[in-house]
Amino acid sequence: AQTVTQSQPEMSVQEAETVTLSCTYDTSESDYYLFWYKQPPSRQMILVIRQEAYKQQNATENRFSVNFQKAAKSFSLKISDSQLGDAAMYFCAYRSAWGGTYKYIFGTGTRLKVLA
Amino acid sequence: DAGITQSPRHKVTETGTPVTLRCHQTENHRYMYWYRQDPGHGLRLIHYSYGVKDTDKGEVSDGYSVSRSKTEDFLLTLESATSSQTSVYFCAISPGTPGEQYFGPGTRLTVT
Repeated sequence: AQTVTQSQPEMSVQEAETVTLSCTYDTSESDYYLFWYKQPPSRQMILVIRQEAYKQQNATENRFSVNFQKAAKSFSLKISDSQLGDAAMYFCAYRSAWGGTYKYIFGTGTRLKVLA
Repeated sequence: DAGITQSPRHKVTETGTPVTLRCHQTENHRYMYWYRQDPGHGLRLIHYSYGVKDTDKGEVSDGYSVSRSKTEDFLLTLESATSSQTSVYFCAISPGTPGEQYFGPGTRLTVT
């Protein structure tokens, strides 16, 4: 069975600085998706970024980028130029690309605090 | 934003009473999911659906049942609510491919 681990329950970053959130996963599959979701205090779950395992290139969305290390089963999220609005819970998630069940597995989350 | 609504948004109920939460989508996506979110546990899958009348269990399905009679609606029922089912419940939808999943606003359920 697949697992997703976020070992940092909480992190802090100064406004305008860069922070990296860690995520590791375990799977025997070769093709899958990885995601980062943001959950601000409003509770709404917002998709931040998606990575397809077969793609070598790391995904980027504006100030958000990932470091995808397939062999190491690592998927970290880098937030550049941190803003107060980035303060939230961040969840890493995994989903198989094939098989039809399309279940998602989430990590336990990292709470990011942004200091002014 | 994906068209997903959940009702009710907040509910307080007593132990032993039945409760039904509704998820409604306007995106015509095939896959629908129910999760619960609890501190320290992230999101845990309760049940999911891969088509009308096609459902399967997730990792925390005990005490919950679901039904999907139409593409747009996915109902989660707590047959006899217990205090351990106090949680925030999220519905999510996905087209399958690509792999994105979109979430509803959540329902805060308190069982007293």
